Amino acid sequence: AQSVTQPDARVTVSEGASLQLRCKYSYFGTPYLFWYVQYPRQGLQLLLKYYPGDPVVQGVNGFEAEFSKSNSSFHLRKASVHWSDWAVYFCAVSPSFLSGSFNKLTFGAGTRLAVCP
Amino acid sequence: EAAVTQSPRSKVAVTGGKVTLSCHQTNNHDYMYWYRQDTGHGLRLIHYSYVADSTEKGDIPDGYKASRPSQENFSLILELASLSQTAVYFCASSDRGRLGGRGAEQFFGPGTRLTVL
Repeated sequence: AQSVTQPDARVTVSEGASLQLRCKYSYFGTPYLFWYVQYPRQGLQLLLKYYPGDPVVQGVNGFEAEFSKSNSSFHLRKASVHWSDWAVYFCAVSPSFLSGSFNKLTFGAGTRLAVCP
Repeated sequence: EAAVTQSPRSKVAVTGGKVTLSCHQTNNHDYMYWYRQDTGHGLRLIHYSYVADSTEKGDIPDGYKASRPSQENFSLILELASLSQTAVYFCASSDRGRLGGRGAEQFFGPGTRLTVL
């Protein structure tokens, strides 16, 4: 069964500082991977997605993520955080091969990002 | 632009009462999903549908029914609401994506905050 672990429930960074949010997945094979962001009182929005290929993927608003098969990780990064990045970030995994499953997204518990001035 | 709307946006229900949450999408997507989000947790899949007049159980279907009367509409029904069903409910839609539905981006609605008293 697929699963996602986001080890940091809460991260606080200063505005302008760099950011890394961690994501570890469990899946037999190479999955599809996603990062979603949830701003206060809103639904989830896609930041970026990984399909097998270039391990570094670019997303919106300066976010990028790097897939590592050896580490089973898909960490999210941003070079310079802005106050508007204050939100909850979810990592999710979807099966990529015929596994009897459909487009099932399995989410991590989320990381709440706070940005200090 | 793709859109998923939900109604109501918030609801207070009494224990044992019937609750219906509605979702409407204008994306022309085949797949629709219902998730619940509990504080400090990621999203968990309740029911999903890949075609009108058919629904499938997700990971936590107990206590919930779903209805897909048309491609655009997907409802979640709580026949006998319980305290444990207090949560935020999200609807999402996606197209078939790659490999028969896998890996497709899901588009989320704004959520319905349900409180059962």
